[in-house]
Amino acid sequence: AQSVTQLDSHVSVSEGTPVLLRCNYSSSYSPSLFWYVQHPNKGLQLLLKYTSAATLVKGINGFEAEFKKSETSFHLTKPSAHMSDAAEYFCVVTYTGTASKLTFGTGTRLQVTL
Amino acid sequence: EAQVTQNPRYLITVTGKKLTVTCSQNMNHEYMSWYRQDPGLGLRQIYYSMNVEVTDKGDVPEGYKVSRKEKRNFPLILESPSPNQTSLYFCASGRLGESYEQYFGPGTRLTVT
Repeated sequence: AQSVTQLDSHVSVSEGTPVLLRCNYSSSYSPSLFWYVQHPNKGLQLLLKYTSAATLVKGINGFEAEFKKSETSFHLTKPSAHMSDAAEYFCVVTYTGTASKLTFGTGTRLQVTL
Repeated sequence: EAQVTQNPRYLITVTGKKLTVTCSQNMNHEYMSWYRQDPGLGLRQIYYSMNVEVTDKGDVPEGYKVSRKEKRNFPLILESPSPNQTSLYFCASGRLGESYEQYFGPGTRLTVT
């Protein structure tokens, strides 16, 4: 069964400092990985996706993530946090042949302080 | 504007009273899905549909029904709601072959008392 683990339920950073949200997935031949963001009282928005092309993926709002097969990780980073980045972030995995089945992590709430 | 809409956005009901949450998308997507979001559990898939008249169970289908009579609509039906179905519900849609990427509705917060 596919699974994804978000290692931190809550991360707090100061504005202007780097962001790191960690995600590990269960090993499989051809995973596709995504990060979605959910702002308060909003639906989910796709931040970025990895589907077997370049391992360093750039997304919206300055976020990026690196697919590391040897570590089964797909951590989300941003060089400098902004107050508007405060939200909940979900790491999501699916596999070739199971495109109908998205498996979500439990989420990481990012807090950005002044 | 391309979007997924859900109605109602908020609903408070009582145990056993049948309800329907509607979902509609205007992107001509083949794939549609329902999720529920609960604290500490992330999103879990309830049902999904690959096309008109084609539906299948997700991870937590018990107590729910769906139908897909038209491509754009995918209603979620709770025949006899119970308090453990109190949750935040999201509808999503995507293209077959690209259904990895899903577009989400704004959510429906349901409370069953």
